[in-house]
Amino acid sequence: DIQLTQSPSFLSASVGDRVTITCRASQDISRYLAWFQQRAGKAPNLLISAASTLQSGVPSRFSGSGSGTEFTLTINSLQPEDFATYYCQRLNNYPFTFGPGTKVEI
Amino acid sequence: EVQLVESGGGLVQPGGALRLSCSASGFSFKKYAMHWVRQAPGKGLEYISSINSNGNKTFYADSVKGRFTISRNNSKNTLNIQMSSLRPEDTAVYYCVKGGGLANCGGDCYGESWGQGTLVTVSS
Repeated sequence: DIQLTQSPSFLSASVGDRVTITCRASQDISRYLAWFQQRAGKAPNLLISAASTLQSGVPSRFSGSGSGTEFTLTINSLQPEDFATYYCQRLNNYPFTFGPGTKVEI
Repeated sequence: EVQLVESGGGLVQPGGALRLSCSASGFSFKKYAMHWVRQAPGKGLEYISSINSNGNKTFYADSVKGRFTISRNNSKNTLNIQMSSLRPEDTAVYYCVKGGGLANCGGDCYGESWGQGTLVTVSS
């Protein structure tokens, strides 16, 4: 199975910072990658589909890029509500593996 | 409005069995693949199983293959997962996830809708 890695695992940042999270696939997955945000005690929320398509209602400070094996999630001007854990998930074939997550902390 | 409501979680002994259900509303359930994802306490998300729209194709993570069986009832808008030979490492919150497009999905994407989750605890 294709594995996903994320870096960093933890990220300490401040309000207003620009942060970048990287997701790497062990094989080419084209653009079949989604990004989720999960706040503590809540279900995950889909931020980005197809590597770079921002979901309706998601603030424009979030953006995604990449294809093949390397992908990035960027948050411009971090807001207090963005402190959460972020996961990538590949959707090119089953099983739909998740990355291990990146926790964004103050 | 899409709603997914899981039920059936609880405490079960190692080796035991449990059946989770997900009641769906607000969309045409029979047209969508459906999925289960779990999260162990303090851990990351883990994909565990999927079923296609008419129920004749199923997929499982290696960690549950042979022990879990996913099914659906399109007349009752219900997704199920039968879990057997449960282990302590199966302890997790189990989420039901609505399927959808996997790329270029134009507002009807996989993962847009999740249930609130149901907790399964496997312990003696």
